[in-house]
Amino acid sequence: GQNIDQPTEMTATEGAIVQINCTYQTSGFNGLFWYQQHAGEAPTFLSYNVLDGLEEKGRFSSFLSRSKGYSYLLLKELQMKDSASYLCAVTDSNYQLIWGAGTKLIIKP
Amino acid sequence: NAGVTQTPKFRVLKTGQSMTLLCAQDMNHEYMYWYRQDPGMGLRLIHYSVGEGTTAKGEVPDGYNVSRLKKQNFLLGLESAAPSQTSVYFCASKSGEGGTDTQYFGPGTRLTVL
Repeated sequence: GQNIDQPTEMTATEGAIVQINCTYQTSGFNGLFWYQQHAGEAPTFLSYNVLDGLEEKGRFSSFLSRSKGYSYLLLKELQMKDSASYLCAVTDSNYQLIWGAGTKLIIKP
Repeated sequence: NAGVTQTPKFRVLKTGQSMTLLCAQDMNHEYMYWYRQDPGMGLRLIHYSVGEGTTAKGEVPDGYNVSRLKKQNFLLGLESAAPSQTSVYFCASKSGEGGTDTQYFGPGTRLTVL
């Protein structure tokens, strides 16, 4: 079967750095997405990785290792507005997105 | 440019009632999707469409039907609602088949079935 694992919840302090991990087992791989979802709102796109390595976009970075079936999202200089759920999703061989359950990130002052 | 819109935003149904959720996008996207999101679970695909006039089943299609008569609209129907269909429903669209194509989401419909 297809499976994506993420921690259910993480807590971090304002101004700090946090790393959210995602491991996956899917039938084929055509890329990995990270989305942000604030409570009561729609998911919004953060990043996309298809090749191994690190993609940096401002305070957010995303890393991919295809051989290990592993990705992480790194958030730097945390702000209170970063409190949200972070969803990992993998595009499988049929170009369908398989979604993880999401990681709820709580930022404390 | 409104992106993806959904109506209604909230709805309460009694068991056995029917309803239709409407999704509209103004980005000229080919692909459209209906998901449901339940606590502790990832987004689950109900049905999707790869173009006007086409529909296909996703992971959890039972109890739902869809239609894509116009490219910009994707309708999700519940013929006889059940309490297990209480959920948040999201519509999404993307431009093409490519793995890099980002899905854009509507604001969601919060449905409660009593």
